[in-house]
Amino acid sequence: DTEVTQTPKHLVMGMTNKKSLKCEQHMGHRAMYWYKQKAKKPPELMFVYSYEKLSINESVPSRFSPECPNSSLLNLHLHALQPEDSALYLCASSPADRVGNTIYFGEGSWLTVV
Amino acid sequence: AQSVTQLGSHVSVSEGALVLLRCNYSSSVPPYLFWYVQYPNQGLQLLLKYTTGATLVKGINGFEAEFKKSETSFHLTKPSAHMSDAAEYFCAVSNFGNEKLTFGTGTRLTIIP
Repeated sequence: DTEVTQTPKHLVMGMTNKKSLKCEQHMGHRAMYWYKQKAKKPPELMFVYSYEKLSINESVPSRFSPECPNSSLLNLHLHALQPEDSALYLCASSPADRVGNTIYFGEGSWLTVV
Repeated sequence: AQSVTQLGSHVSVSEGALVLLRCNYSSSVPPYLFWYVQYPNQGLQLLLKYTTGATLVKGINGFEAEFKKSETSFHLTKPSAHMSDAAEYFCAVSNFGNEKLTFGTGTRLTIIP
């Protein structure tokens, strides 16, 4: 079972709202990722958690706040977003037990900021 | 530093024809190379990857790619295109000890009936 599950699939939020994106995997993977993908562009890495610790933050604005409650869950808390933050947000995971591991992606959450 | 260049943002081929999507990489250490496919409104799915060993790698859906170190290339091919192959294809590279994938800009493949 190579599945990364993301909820919600679609989210519309106002610029003053607080919302969260959720991600779950049950493959025993110890690395989890958030990527942002704008239309017709490649995914851009935002955050990496390795063994539940934040290991990479690609200089993401603080209005995006990641959280890894346990090895299976990854959240992305959203607050005071801008319209330009509208995008597809992809969660991913990998075993993190050797180099060159495959990174498995979820279907994504479509975020629209109005 | 690592980077990937995909030549051709759009490629159109007739159904049944050869598919060739080009990818060149730049890496200061031996790279790990990946091809992902993204169908409309979906996430990314791994087609195939090269880590070590055999340089000709076979993947899902009849795709294969050959790692050529001398040419710093990892081109994706499929002998006979099918309508269901229409999608966006991303080449990506990661380095030893680093799970961070760097993606190319993508190639949109269109299949002509």
